[in-house]
Amino acid sequence: AQSVAQPEDQVNVAEGNPLTVKCTYSVSGNPYLFWYVQYPNRGLQFLLKYITGDNLVKGSYGFEAEFNKSQTSFHLKKPSALVSDSALYFCAVRDPRGGGATNKLIFGTGTLLAVQP
Amino acid sequence: DAMVIQNPRYQVTQFGKPVTLSCSQTLNHNVMYWYQQKSSQAPKLLFHYYDKDFNNEADTPDNFQSRRPNTSFCFLDIRSPGLGDAAMYLCATSRGTPNEKLFFGSGTQLSVL
Repeated sequence: AQSVAQPEDQVNVAEGNPLTVKCTYSVSGNPYLFWYVQYPNRGLQFLLKYITGDNLVKGSYGFEAEFNKSQTSFHLKKPSALVSDSALYFCAVRDPRGGGATNKLIFGTGTLLAVQP
Repeated sequence: DAMVIQNPRYQVTQFGKPVTLSCSQTLNHNVMYWYQQKSSQAPKLLFHYYDKDFNNEADTPDNFQSRRPNTSFCFLDIRSPGLGDAAMYLCATSRGTPNEKLFFGSGTQLSVL
């Protein structure tokens, strides 16, 4: 079955420190992976995606993610956290059972990132 | 310059009373999606439209229906809401090409009394 796991419900980090939000996936075929962020009372916003090519993907707001095929992981990282990064982060994988032109996503349960001043 | 707009932001309905949630988009995207997000859970896809073609997920209850009268609008109808249907409902759009990102609305928080 296709699935995404985010093993941490919450990640706490001090402002200025590096952060990592973990994600592992299980999917048949090539994985197409995404990270979205959700601020309070807002919809999800796209951060970055991995489709093919370089394993290190750079995205919005200084975030990046590293695709690791052998570990089936796609961890989100940022070198220096900001208080404003505090939000709920979702990892997602494109459902290969969807049609070629649609982008059905299977989401993880989310990780709440709390950045302390 | 909101691109995917959901109304209302909060909706309260009574047990068993039909309710409709609406979504509109200014992006002219081919695909529109409805996700259900319960507290502390992953967003779950209910169905999607590719243009006028409706695609239901296998485990979406019959109680949930959808309409897309034109490119810009899509509606989620819950025929007989139960307490278990209380959730955030998220509308999203994307272009009709592979691996495009989704654009989400702010969601409608549905309460069932």
